[in-house]
Amino acid sequence: KAGVTQTPRYLIKTRGQQVTLSCSPISGHRSVSWYQQTPGQGLQFLFEYFSETQRNKGNFPGRFSGRQFSNSRSEMNVSTLELGDSALYLCASSLQGSLDEQYFGPGTRLTVT
Amino acid sequence: AQKVTQAQTEISVVEKEDVTLDCVYETRDTTYYLFWYKQPPSGELVFLIRRNSFDEQNEISGRYSWNFQKSTSSFNFTITASQVVDSAVYFCALTLNSGGYQKVTFGTGTKLQVIP
Repeated sequence: KAGVTQTPRYLIKTRGQQVTLSCSPISGHRSVSWYQQTPGQGLQFLFEYFSETQRNKGNFPGRFSGRQFSNSRSEMNVSTLELGDSALYLCASSLQGSLDEQYFGPGTRLTVT
Repeated sequence: AQKVTQAQTEISVVEKEDVTLDCVYETRDTTYYLFWYKQPPSGELVFLIRRNSFDEQNEISGRYSWNFQKSTSSFNFTITASQVVDSAVYFCALTLNSGGYQKVTFGTGTKLQVIP
């Protein structure tokens, strides 16, 4: 069974640009959650999608958005990038949701210059 | 507001020693979930355990064991006979429902180094 995959693995963007990250969950998993990890703020929950609907949302500005497709693949978009958005973005998939056992991808390392 | 404290920033032990990682949480909710995750140097988080607030039973899984005590708001994690492969950052997390949404709070993590 293939694990959670995230693309791209590394990304360098310039302040003000926008970026889209992709996450493919484990086959059969309907829930995808996104997390941001930075040295300063640690691990923070961004949002969770379940069956194409955003089910939970963390405390992030509207520049952070996401969506989920019918095949459960999810994308996360960050618009008007700021230096502070430099982080490791992790996605996790599960059968039922973020209260379930989650399987994490390797993450996308985003650097904003 | 909820909070998770992992007071131990870094711990070093010699292989085969036992080590306990502390996790103290704060919440006013009576229903919540506690998690432990492992993040090895590769960066990928690995789920270790989930415990809900109504289940105070301790759990053992191989060399890993967890002690959940609501009276002290703690959910500590013990590794018995540590191995070099246990070297990683370990995170404790608290999840609860708030206004129809789930709120997830992570601790700052404890970096464990097991020295051969």
